[in-house]
Amino acid sequence: DIQMTQSPSSLSASVGDRVTITCRASQTIISYLNWYQQKPGKAPKVLIYGASSLQSGVPSRFSGSGSGTDFTLTISSLQPEDFATYYCQQSYSTPRTFGQGTKLEIK
Amino acid sequence: QVQLQESGPGLVKPSQTLSLTCTVSGGSISSGGHYWTWIRQHPGKGLEWIGYIYHSGSTYYNPSLKSRITITVDTSRNQFSLNLSSVTAADTAVYYCARQTYYDFWSGYDLNKYHYFDYWGQGTLVTVSS
Repeated sequence: DIQMTQSPSSLSASVGDRVTITCRASQTIISYLNWYQQKPGKAPKVLIYGASSLQSGVPSRFSGSGSGTDFTLTISSLQPEDFATYYCQQSYSTPRTFGQGTKLEIK
Repeated sequence: QVQLQESGPGLVKPSQTLSLTCTVSGGSISSGGHYWTWIRQHPGKGLEWIGYIYHSGSTYYNPSLKSRITITVDTSRNQFSLNLSSVTAADTAVYYCARQTYYDFWSGYDLNKYHYFDYWGQGTLVTVSS
């Protein structure tokens, strides 16, 4: 199985901050990397697919980059509704695997 | 707008079989290219992919659960189902059904697909307890 490791596990930030979350795969996944946002009691919502493609309807302050084994999710200017947990997920092979999550909290 | 809804018992006894159904509305489960997926989330923890099924009946299971999983599809009812046998307290989790969709892209002369989960059910908590 491909192991996905996110850092940090938690992060405190303020509205308006620029935030970056990192995801590392245990082997190359080329660009088969997705990012999800999950709020308490809700299902995850896809933000980014294919490492850098913005899902329809997702605000442009979200962006993704990377290839191979190292990827980043950036939120350019945090909004109050962005405080949530973020997961990366690889779709290079089965079983599909997720990172352990990064909880983004209000400072 | 595609919608997915999980249904099934919220409480299952140890050693019994957990059975859940996902009903798809707003789209056909037989539409090509989509894989109908089960994912679970242990309380306060991350996401675990359980497996998925294609409308033809082809399945892919997580090896960690493979001996206990069966996923089936009923295209006439636009539903797919999960059976997880011999459950223990470690199977207590929120169970989500989701659709894995795809986006085609060219890499040189090769047509490839990005796969991702675009529609999810609301999730259902299943507790394993006597």
